[in-house]
Amino acid sequence: DTGVSQNPRHKITKRGQNVTFRCDPISEHNRLYWYRQTLGQGPEFLTYFQNEAQLEKSRLLSDRFSAERPKGSFSTLEIQRTEQGDSAMYLCASSSKTGPVPSEQYFGPGTRLTVT
Amino acid sequence: DQQVKQNSPSLSVQEGRISILNCDYTNSMFDYFLWYKKYPAEGPTFLISISSIKDKNEDGRFTVFLNKSAKHLSLHIVPSQPGDSAVYFCAASPSNDYKLSFGAGTTVTVRA
Repeated sequence: DTGVSQNPRHKITKRGQNVTFRCDPISEHNRLYWYRQTLGQGPEFLTYFQNEAQLEKSRLLSDRFSAERPKGSFSTLEIQRTEQGDSAMYLCASSSKTGPVPSEQYFGPGTRLTVT
Repeated sequence: DQQVKQNSPSLSVQEGRISILNCDYTNSMFDYFLWYKKYPAEGPTFLISISSIKDKNEDGRFTVFLNKSAKHLSLHIVPSQPGDSAVYFCAASPSNDYKLSFGAGTTVTVRA
């Protein structure tokens, strides 16, 4: 069991640039979640996939944000025209299809984004 | 609107003593609760959970207590060990939902 992995671990970008993050969930997990965490706060839900279907998006996810999960495996989160307010830790989590809803979610190490 | 609140940002405890972390929630639809532990530069790690049909769940040194009428839960760690020094997050969700609402976290420092 290799756990949830995320790449890159750190990303520094200039305002206005586009960035893309990748998440590889635990292999047998069919549910995948994205959260955002800012300093001094807990993670905040962004979006959720069951297999390849994106089932919900938080109002925090403006139209500059898009997430995909092709073939129900890895997922990408893209932020277009980044703003300084996008600076945060972006966390990915996955959970087991055999668990109840909700079930414990297993988190990756996160991608820290800094927008200058 | 912060639906899950951890009002103590930090807690310092001596090694071997009990650590008690508190969490309050406002959404009466929440009926599944979890605690996560987070070390610097790592993602949160699941510790223990409890559903609303129980008022206590125990796993080794960790025990979670739920008081539904008060909308309050607590995590007891006994005995506290230096490796327990971390940020602890309380999270909650309704049973028919999947997204977790987190508190802001409590930083625990275990002193030798």
